[in-house]
Amino acid sequence: GNSVTQMEGPVTLSEEAFLTINCTYTATGYPSLFWYVQYPGEGLQLLLKATKADDKGSNKGFEATYRKETTSFHLEKGSVQVSDSAVYFCALSDLVLTGGGNKLTFGTGTQLKVEL
Amino acid sequence: GAGVSQSPRYKVAKRGQDVALRCDPISGHVSLFWYQQALGQGPEFLTYFQNEAQLDKSGLPSDRFFAERPEGSVSTLKIQRTQQEDSAVYLCASSLGFAAGSSYEQYFGPGTRLTVT
Repeated sequence: GNSVTQMEGPVTLSEEAFLTINCTYTATGYPSLFWYVQYPGEGLQLLLKATKADDKGSNKGFEATYRKETTSFHLEKGSVQVSDSAVYFCALSDLVLTGGGNKLTFGTGTQLKVEL
Repeated sequence: GAGVSQSPRYKVAKRGQDVALRCDPISGHVSLFWYQQALGQGPEFLTYFQNEAQLDKSGLPSDRFFAERPEGSVSTLKIQRTQQEDSAVYLCASSLGFAAGSSYEQYFGPGTRLTVT
């Protein structure tokens, strides 16, 4: 079956530091890959996505590249801010197997804390 | 425009009680999903509707869980005879639709936090 593995948190960084959150996946089809973010007290929001190999998703300074050869989709940001403090979830949607709908398989989430 | 809304936001139930959780998707969204998120974990898929048809219920953990979407818009997730292990946040998401080769964004509601005592 499909699965997503992401690095455990919490990750604590100083403002303006470089961020990497690792994510690897297992899927039997041709998945689309996503990063969702959950800010304190808010619902899940899509941060970025990539639908095929070598695609790069980007949003709000965050980037992730779909690497089929390493089955990875690592999240990066060059300079984090305090406002980036949140829980980040890597997810996949396998369109081949889920003929009735693109249900998401999530990782366990990585909490990011950014300090001044 | 209005996003996905869920009610109630918080629900405390005594073990053995039945509960009903409501989801109002974004107007016009064909697809509707329910997920269960245990504390400190990622959301896990429960069930999927395309309009009023429940096309996938493979994630429902037991026959105590039941979901419906009778008119293809509002959906209700019902849990009968609640148990402590049912305590979690229940998330609803909707998306515009589904077509082979595409990946429509899922928009999530704020969730209902269920605590079974």
